[in-house]
Amino acid sequence: EVQLVESGGGLSQPGGSLRLSCAASGFTVSSNYMTWVRQAPGKGLEWVSVIYTGGSTYYTDSVKGRFTISRDNSKNTLYLQMNSLRAEDTAVYYCARNGDCPGDCYLDQWGQGTLVTVSS
Amino acid sequence: DIQMTQSPSSLSVSVGDRVTITCRASRSISTYLNWYQQKPGKAPNLLIYAASTLQSGVSSRFSGSGSGTDFTLTISSLQPEDFATYYCQQSYSSPPYTFGQGTKLEIK
Repeated sequence: EVQLVESGGGLSQPGGSLRLSCAASGFTVSSNYMTWVRQAPGKGLEWVSVIYTGGSTYYTDSVKGRFTISRDNSKNTLYLQMNSLRAEDTAVYYCARNGDCPGDCYLDQWGQGTLVTVSS
Repeated sequence: DIQMTQSPSSLSVSVGDRVTITCRASRSISTYLNWYQQKPGKAPNLLIYAASTLQSGVSSRFSGSGSGTDFTLTISSLQPEDFATYYCQQSYSSPPYTFGQGTKLEIK
């Protein structure tokens, strides 16, 4: 069974750091494009970052230079290192698997989400 | 970046209604358009990809159409479990693969 389980969320002060993890089972993270999506409280979905099978990474403008997406193939786990956190980074963060990438690149498997709160 | 605009933002509907949600891209995205359903407190769920291909396991009352800049999601006969928020997402060319702002279906 394909499963994604996020962890690492919590409370951080502005300017702080958190690392989110997304443990995958039932498929190989390194063989798929993998994406982070976030959702601020009461708001819509926001695409955050993707890592390609070849290792290329992309970010939405608001997190460039602050967030880093990576993976550990030996642990079959995706990560999102978040530095210089701001109040506007407060959100539920979802990891998701991209199906059919390159190609249609839809998000066909999602984790349950982990809440990040940035507040003093 | 490609901007995605959904309409309406919310819709009051009844069980059995035929529902249409539209999504417009700021420039042509061919058929690189996906639709998701999200229920409160849950992760989104893929409904349709490539504008009109139904994801495995999704009810056939959901359908999608469109190409270029204009797309629609149709629910042929709304069921109680369909009250949710629906998002479109473009996956054309290079990232960011932006989402629309969402359409919330509410009970009339």
